[in-house]
Amino acid sequence: KAGVTQTPRYLIKTRGQQVTLSCSPISGHRSVSWYQQTPGQGLQFLFEYFSETQRNKGNFPGRFSGRQFSNSRSEMNVSTLELGDSALYLCASSQQNTGELFFGEGSRLTVL
Amino acid sequence: DAKTTQPPSMDCAEGRAANLPCNHSTISGNEYVYWYRQIHSQGPQYIIHGLKNNETNEMASLIITEDRKSSTLILPHATLRDTAVYYCIVRVAGDYKLSFGAGTTVTVRA
Repeated sequence: KAGVTQTPRYLIKTRGQQVTLSCSPISGHRSVSWYQQTPGQGLQFLFEYFSETQRNKGNFPGRFSGRQFSNSRSEMNVSTLELGDSALYLCASSQQNTGELFFGEGSRLTVL
Repeated sequence: DAKTTQPPSMDCAEGRAANLPCNHSTISGNEYVYWYRQIHSQGPQYIIHGLKNNETNEMASLIITEDRKSSTLILPHATLRDTAVYYCIVRVAGDYKLSFGAGTTVTVRA
């Protein structure tokens, strides 16, 4: 069974640009969550989707958005990038909301 | 906000048991204890979880005190590949997020 796949793995953007990150969950998993990891703030919850509906959102500005498609694949978008958005963005999937999450290897974003 | 307290770091000898403590003195009756670990440059990996009974799986054992205010994750025979940051998390059943704290950096030494 394939794991959670995130693309791209690495990317470099400049301030003011926007970025879209993609996540393909494990087959059969309908819940997809996104987390941001930085050295200063650690792992922080961004949002969670189930059956194309956002069920919960973390404390991030509106520049951070996401969506989920009918096949459970998810994307997150960050607009008007700031230097502080440089981070590892992690996607996780689960069958239901069991707390047992399967994480991908992340997309490492560098904003210059 | 994380509701757990863990030591920032600990060392363990290869082949020996690693006992990782976690304090969660404000845990509620409907909150579970979860353990994850994150090996460098990888996504976190689920290890085990429990409510009030001790739990064991192929990776580890989880011992929860009777008052549920603390727990210990036991890696029975630590290997170099167990070097990672270990996170203890309390989660209400049905909550949509995990609140990660700083975790414990475990270094297994040969």
